[in-house]
Amino acid sequence: EIVLTQSPGTLSLSPGERATLSCRASQSVSNNYLAWYQQKPGQAPRLLIHGASSRATGIPDRFSGSGSGTDFTLTISRLEPEDFAVYYCQQYDSSPPYTFGQGTKLEIK
Amino acid sequence: EVLLVESGGVVVQPGGSLRLSCAASGFTFDDYTMHWVRQAPGKGLEWVSLISWDGGSTNYADSVKGRFTVSRDNSKNSLYLQMNSLRTEDTALYYCVNEHWGDGYFDLWGRGTLVTVSS
Repeated sequence: EIVLTQSPGTLSLSPGERATLSCRASQSVSNNYLAWYQQKPGQAPRLLIHGASSRATGIPDRFSGSGSGTDFTLTISRLEPEDFAVYYCQQYDSSPPYTFGQGTKLEIK
Repeated sequence: EVLLVESGGVVVQPGGSLRLSCAASGFTFDDYTMHWVRQAPGKGLEWVSLISWDGGSTNYADSVKGRFTVSRDNSKNSLYLQMNSLRTEDTALYYCVNEHWGDGYFDLWGRGTLVTVSS
């Protein structure tokens, strides 16, 4: 089973700043089979990125994903007020089981 | 509108049983592998189970294997999760989730149904 470790646990930033979230895998994720999700309080997760770097339909271009192998990054270029949420990475390479990271909470500073 | 609506979550005693349902609409249900993903209160996401488009293939997380059974009725556009021998650690919001064209990532989520296992 691939274990995903996200860092930091909490990230405190201001609107307009750049956010960089990390997801590290316990073994290589082949074919960049890694996705990112955003979850706001009281809502279901929403797909942001798949294939490590492909934005899902309707996702603003301030969201970008990068990385390969064991190290992946979600970048939000300029934070909007609605971007403050919890973000999860998920691998679908060695699956099942499909595994998620423990999440990074992005909060307003 | 593309929609997944879960139901059936209640408070149940440890050792009890429960059946969750998920009604799908707005897309061709029997084209897709479907999943259940859960989230304990204040915690992260945990994949629970999957079922292939025709029900011919299923898979489970180790934490629920032998206790939970996933099924579907394509004639009713519905997904189910039979939960037996429930434990307090099964307390969670259970999401019905659509897998994008067999690619392995999840692009449609329901709003979830809350299962509470407590005496």
